[in-house]
Amino acid sequence: AQTVTQSQPEMSVQEAETVTLSCTYDTSENNYYLFWYKQPPSRQMILVIRQEAYKQQNATENRFSVNFQKAAKSFSLKISDSQLGDTAMYFCALGGTYKYIFGTGTRLKVLA
Amino acid sequence: GAGVSQSPSNKVTEKGKDVELRCDPISGHTALYWYRQSLGQGLEFLIYFQGNSAPDKSGLPSDRFSAERTGGSVSTLTIQRTQQEDSAVYLCASSFRTGVTNTEAFFGQGTRLTVV
Repeated sequence: AQTVTQSQPEMSVQEAETVTLSCTYDTSENNYYLFWYKQPPSRQMILVIRQEAYKQQNATENRFSVNFQKAAKSFSLKISDSQLGDTAMYFCALGGTYKYIFGTGTRLKVLA
Repeated sequence: GAGVSQSPSNKVTEKGKDVELRCDPISGHTALYWYRQSLGQGLEFLIYFQGNSAPDKSGLPSDRFSAERTGGSVSTLTIQRTQQEDSAVYLCASSFRTGVTNTEAFFGQGTRLTVV
């Protein structure tokens, strides 16, 4: 069975600081994607970053980067220079042949 | 369309009534998903359509829930005899498939269902 685990229900960070959100997963598939989605209070799910499992290089999107450790099945999200607009629920997700599996989410609050 | 469109945005219904929620996916996306999100919770998988294949209905919580996808495009999620525990946000997503792997899911804005 495929699983995604986010062990940090809530986190906070000071504006302009760096924060890392953790995610571990399990799958028996060889070809898959990993994603981080952001859900602000507007409830719109927004893709933050994606990682193809076959790529060794960690994905980066501006202030967002991941640490993908395939052997350890770990996929953490680092947010640099945190901004007030980063306050949201963050979901880690696993995508492969079939449905997406989502973690339970981490509620991130950026403090002014 | 430019994105995944869901209607209505909000729906209030009386307990026992039937409701239909609509999802219009991104043109060209072969996969379509329905998820349910209760207040402050994660995403609960409901059903998955992929091309012309039989849908994966393994997440539907009861036989009061059903979904169809017509012509490989628009999908309707129907909840019969609604109960208060059905109150949630229903999210629809679609994705493109490369080979045998689905790329990122694009989500609609969701339908907030309130059963009173």
